Amino acid sequence: AQRVTQPEKLLSVFKGAPVELKCNYSYSGSPELFWYVQYSRQRLQLLLRHISRESIKGFTADLNKGETSFHLKKPFAQEEDSAMYYCALSGTSYGKLTFGQGTILTVHP
Amino acid sequence: DAGVTQSPTHLIKTRGQQVTLRCSPKSGHDTVSWYQQALGQGPQFIFQYYEEEERQRGNFPDRFSGHQFPNYSSELNVNALLLGDSALYLCASTEAGEIGYTFGSGTRLTVV
Repeated sequence: AQRVTQPEKLLSVFKGAPVELKCNYSYSGSPELFWYVQYSRQRLQLLLRHISRESIKGFTADLNKGETSFHLKKPFAQEEDSAMYYCALSGTSYGKLTFGQGTILTVHP
Repeated sequence: DAGVTQSPTHLIKTRGQQVTLRCSPKSGHDTVSWYQQALGQGPQFIFQYYEEEERQRGNFPDRFSGHQFPNYSSELNVNALLLGDSALYLCASTEAGEIGYTFGSGTRLTVV
């Protein structure tokens, strides 16, 4: 069974502070992990995926298979980062996505 | 490119009725998935269509059915609506070799 857990429903930080959104997963094989973001009044969009090992908008995420985690990090949060963030898992690159419950990030000025 | 388009944007139905939601995938995408997102929850996978066949299905009853047309557009049908079917229904598309999905804005279904 696939499961994604985002332990924090709400996360508040001040502008310029580091931010880490936690994501833990359960999957028996080698998963594809993603972070999706939804800004206010916009559609859900892909932020980054673990296989690309990329940094998007200053965010990075490292897959830790030992801890089954895929935490999203940014060293200096910006107000425009305020959004809902979803961690998601797939067994294949085109398979079904299993989402966590999401974390609402608020960055205060 | 308009991306993934869904219609209608909002819908109100009565318990017991049937509803059809529509989705046009992003240009070039041949795989369409549907998700149900209840308030305060993450999206839940309903099913996926590829080459006009249901390829994967989530934990949803048979009241939820779908279809994919030769132009890759898709429909989600829900019969015998329950109050608990009230949710945002999201359509997402992708294509072979592409990693990650493009999502539509969703259809907000309210069952009264």
